[in-house]
Amino acid sequence: VLTQPPSVSGAPGQRVTISCTGSSSNIGAHYDVHWYQQLPGTAPKLLIYVNNNRPSGVPDRFSGSKSGTSASLTITGLQAEDEADYYCQSYDSTVNNYGYVFGTGTKVTVL
Amino acid sequence: QVQLQEAGPGLVKPSETLSLTCTVSGGSLSAYYWSWIRQPPGKELEWIGNIYYSGSTNYNPSLKSRVTMSVDTSKNQFSLNLSSLTAADTAVYYCARQVPGYHSGYYVDSWGQGILVTVSS
Repeated sequence: VLTQPPSVSGAPGQRVTISCTGSSSNIGAHYDVHWYQQLPGTAPKLLIYVNNNRPSGVPDRFSGSKSGTSASLTITGLQAEDEADYYCQSYDSTVNNYGYVFGTGTKVTVL
Repeated sequence: QVQLQEAGPGLVKPSETLSLTCTVSGGSLSAYYWSWIRQPPGKELEWIGNIYYSGSTNYNPSLKSRVTMSVDTSKNQFSLNLSSLTAADTAVYYCARQVPGYHSGYYVDSWGQGILVTVSS
């Protein structure tokens, strides 16, 4: 339901952006978008909530945005410890498929 | 800081029912939605459903016919039953707390560490 690029990569210090493409029944229906970071072998961790808010302790190099039927996560100043999988999440109101939905996930590689 | 811990079998047989329990510490079940989310090996996350502390439930339509959730506020626990298991149900199962966003919808602010459940004879 929410489509993300399978992978993105960048050198340390670079900026990378991960897209999350939805539709009129989820992101386009004004449902909030949230982002999670999953380090290898661990549970996901909340990274961005309600489109562009960082929980306490999340570095300010992580930022989120939302427009129309899509959202984006940007890492400005990529660091080695940012190598992980990232997932967006929203709510879908399709009659036969309503509920909370996650993106397909994006693996970030630090070159 | 609330903490969640899943408990249950690591191996179940096809056609059987999976039963998992999540114990919440460092906080009460009250006034929150409590969720189960799973992740097949190498794949994305899938929301199974959630339960309010009062007992009302919401299930993923694709799993609704096989899912039952319950809550025990006296033990600060909530549970998942998933019936008629197949190999496709093999996954890491996470329990989690969902909190409301500003506008609409909920997000997960706390996760358990996850438990790998393998469905195999």
